[in-house]
Amino acid sequence: SQQGEEDPQALSIQEGENATMNCSYKTSINNLQWYRQNSGRGLVHLILIRSNEREKHSGRLRVTLDTSKKSSSLLITASRAADTASYFCATDGNDYKLSFGAGTTVTVRA
Amino acid sequence: DGGITQSPKYLFRKEGQNVTLSCEQNLNHDAMYWYRQDPGQGLRLIYYSQIVNDFQKGDIAEGYSVSREKKESFPLTVTSAQKNPTAFYLCASSFGPPGQTHSYEQYFGPGTRLTVT
Repeated sequence: SQQGEEDPQALSIQEGENATMNCSYKTSINNLQWYRQNSGRGLVHLILIRSNEREKHSGRLRVTLDTSKKSSSLLITASRAADTASYFCATDGNDYKLSFGAGTTVTVRA
Repeated sequence: DGGITQSPKYLFRKEGQNVTLSCEQNLNHDAMYWYRQDPGQGLRLIYYSQIVNDFQKGDIAEGYSVSREKKESFPLTVTSAQKNPTAFYLCASSFGPPGQTHSYEQYFGPGTRLTVT
């Protein structure tokens, strides 16, 4: 079942602007991961945040996790055309598998 | 050059035929997964395997079958019992399955787009 839900479904920004997307989930989790998918391709792992962490950075990416609100956000700073992709959050609980949301499609305009 | 491969990239079949999608990894990962992705949607888990000779049904296993005879290989058969098989199929692998004390990133193949007419 799909636990995570991303918001917004789609986002269009100008190159150089920041992009923020959110993920909400229903049940308690051990970890949350973010993935990127370019059109028609496989997914690429971006970042993993554990349930006892509140914030994590990787290059231009910043992820926050609020377990009390059951939500996470992904911020991409200084966006580039190459950031155009769909972004998915994936949660894992105690059932040994990841549950993916429906994704946020980000378009970066030149 | 380590990675996970899927073949073919595009596959066309007539309704009523079984078809097998290939997935191979040389990352020495124990866990492997098959997902289905429909347009504009997220990934839904079909089957997963935590170790050789063992696999479990995911959320949408009906009409699909798998085998895990070798660590490197996890083929998926889409049977004629699958009512709506046209989709994008993604295979993934990870060092181990998600758990309470650890979680591993999943490495994805490039996908196979199956069209059944």
